[in-house]
Amino acid sequence: QSALTQPPSASGSPGQSVTLSCTGTSSDVGRYNHVSWYQQHPGTAPKLVIFEVIKRPSGVPDRFSGSKSGNTATLTVSGLQAEDEGDYYCCTLVGTDWVFGGGTKLTVL
Amino acid sequence: QVQLVQSGAEVKKPGASVHVSCQASGPTVTSDYIHWVRQAPGQGLEWVGVFRPGADTTTYAQKFLGRVTMTRDTSTSTVYMELSSLRSEDTALYYCTRDGSHWEFDYWGQGTLVTVSS
Repeated sequence: QSALTQPPSASGSPGQSVTLSCTGTSSDVGRYNHVSWYQQHPGTAPKLVIFEVIKRPSGVPDRFSGSKSGNTATLTVSGLQAEDEGDYYCCTLVGTDWVFGGGTKLTVL
Repeated sequence: QVQLVQSGAEVKKPGASVHVSCQASGPTVTSDYIHWVRQAPGQGLEWVGVFRPGADTTTYAQKFLGRVTMTRDTSTSTVYMELSSLRSEDTALYYCTRDGSHWEFDYWGQGTLVTVSS
């Protein structure tokens, strides 16, 4: 069982905004800014979309944004587009191990 | 631009070992930490461990202790992961990925499918 909890599914219509949550504890997500987010399309390797909670790698659209409140990190996708559909995983360092959330399947209706 | 190229698919019998390679090219590869992450069919991502060049140190996830070994060939900028005592639950896509030094995995290999079947 993952130490990071993500809802299994989320959905939104094109143009809408959707938020994906990732809940840890006060010892990991709540204490450090080590949270990153990955987008994965079927049959492809994961792609980094957010690191250090709020930072966006070059080339990632500014429709993707990250935030954190308490023990929960959030990925917001604004202005949903069809290509945003896929699986999204959060990740952080827990002690000496890296841990991924169980993933959220985002469907664009 | 960093590129990580992994070895091809493997089919192994239960109890056997598998070696997967990850060759890096691009800037700073000799000092990059390389992690291994696996994904069972239809499942999520699972961290396996990390190889740190320089001191050639490793950290492995608890569940793989005693079964996984990560090494490096400096001459070819290749990192290897060996997983032994394979069981059917080890069937998965194994990815190598670079530690971007900001608590993230910024570049990923294409994945290597390891199938464990009798």
